[in-house]
Amino acid sequence: DTAVSQTPKYLVTQMGNDKSIKCEQNLGHDTMYWYKQDSKKFLKIMFSYNNKELIINETVPNRFSPKSPDKAHLNLHINSLELGDSAVYFCASSQGLKSGYGYTFGSGTRLTVV
Amino acid sequence: GENVEQHPSTLSVQEGDSAVIKCTYSDSASNYFPWYKQELGKGPQLIIDIRSNVGEKKDQRIAVTLNKTAKHFSLHITETQPEDSAVYFCAAINKAGGTSYGKLTFGQGTILTVHP
Repeated sequence: DTAVSQTPKYLVTQMGNDKSIKCEQNLGHDTMYWYKQDSKKFLKIMFSYNNKELIINETVPNRFSPKSPDKAHLNLHINSLELGDSAVYFCASSQGLKSGYGYTFGSGTRLTVV
Repeated sequence: GENVEQHPSTLSVQEGDSAVIKCTYSDSASNYFPWYKQELGKGPQLIIDIRSNVGEKKDQRIAVTLNKTAKHFSLHITETQPEDSAVYFCAAINKAGGTSYGKLTFGQGTILTVHP
């Protein structure tokens, strides 16, 4: 199936731990994104990569570090997890930063920090 | 940067009624306006979109209108069905440049409930 795949779907961890979320797309898109959805359902962009290059870096704590080994993969590593990091994280992809057309979202990773 | 306001935050209708969700945006350079539907436990899915050179677009029971002058755009769902129940998001993106370039900015979401 053509899709944006995220792993894991659920992640429960203790404060202070380091964790990673992986994302892969097989749509042939060259731009990938990380969005955070808070408890009130608000979706906010965190990062965007275009052909492995960081294009958008919103005001996100330095504890969050994205890495794109190739244009089909975008991972998110989070250091020293805090309670406030609990949210659903969505990966998305699109063809071209300029287009904005047809963003395809993954099914999300629900991160719970206890 | 861009700011998108969406109303109402919740909307409850009877099956067969129409539902309207409204959004306003702040950046006059925004030129593409998609709408997403998010079902429980899933990611947002694109249901319809409109570009700034078009005033209205329709796809079966859903339609979107855009008023560039007023910076308003709306989603209209007719003959609602229980399976339309979900969270709906409007969004805007500026493809031309400026501080909001390339960022898809979402509204706050509308929880639509269609009662059988």
